[in-house]
Amino acid sequence: QSALTQPASVSGSPGQSITISCTGTSSDVGTYNLVSWYQHHPGKAPKLVIHEVSERPSGVSNRFSGSKSGYTASLTISGLQAEDEADYYCCSYAGFSTVVFGGGTKLTVL
Amino acid sequence: QVQLQESGPGLVKPSQTLSLTCTVSGGSTSSGGYYWSWVRQHPGEGLEWIGYIYYSGSSYYNPSLKSRVIISVDTSKNQFSLKLNSVTAADTAVYYCAREWGGKYYFDYWGQGTLVTVSS
Repeated sequence: QSALTQPASVSGSPGQSITISCTGTSSDVGTYNLVSWYQHHPGKAPKLVIHEVSERPSGVSNRFSGSKSGYTASLTISGLQAEDEADYYCCSYAGFSTVVFGGGTKLTVL
Repeated sequence: QVQLQESGPGLVKPSQTLSLTCTVSGGSTSSGGYYWSWVRQHPGEGLEWIGYIYYSGSSYYNPSLKSRVIISVDTSKNQFSLKLNSVTAADTAVYYCAREWGGKYYFDYWGQGTLVTVSS
């Protein structure tokens, strides 16, 4: 069970859009539509922003959207705001009742 | 609103057992449909899933930790617990408890996390 692959960092200016990728294998992302994304401000509890690839929980801004193609899932944040600066993690079901996280991506709002 | 709070020693000696408890409020560990989970984050690294337990007692663990981990649930106290034995410095991390949607495998509520340092 290897961690999903995310870019270490991405950046964007306020108002722009950014996309964070999450690449897995046929054992996880490629087979199951059970990918979730979490926003994590250091020192705080992680926050669910997307589940089941593209479903947005109640209360999460519609600036957050998710998608998947093949072995890669993506999180897009549009209309970047300073408060979006955080670490973002993807997570996927990996079969046999297990899950696997990505290594995390640090988003910097310039 | 569901809230989770981790508690336990912040310092554990090498080779000993790390023990943490998560107290749930605003929700019930005896309600079906949810898995009660533990996730950790090593300093400066990403999140690592440790395992989860269902109210019935069924549990599932990360294969890399399976030989050293036990997760249990006490529905009468609305708590669930983590025990990790034979710890080393590599187990130093922030430990989070979380609620996981059964069958959907996403975590909708998290605790604030607690730092556990393994050191003599």
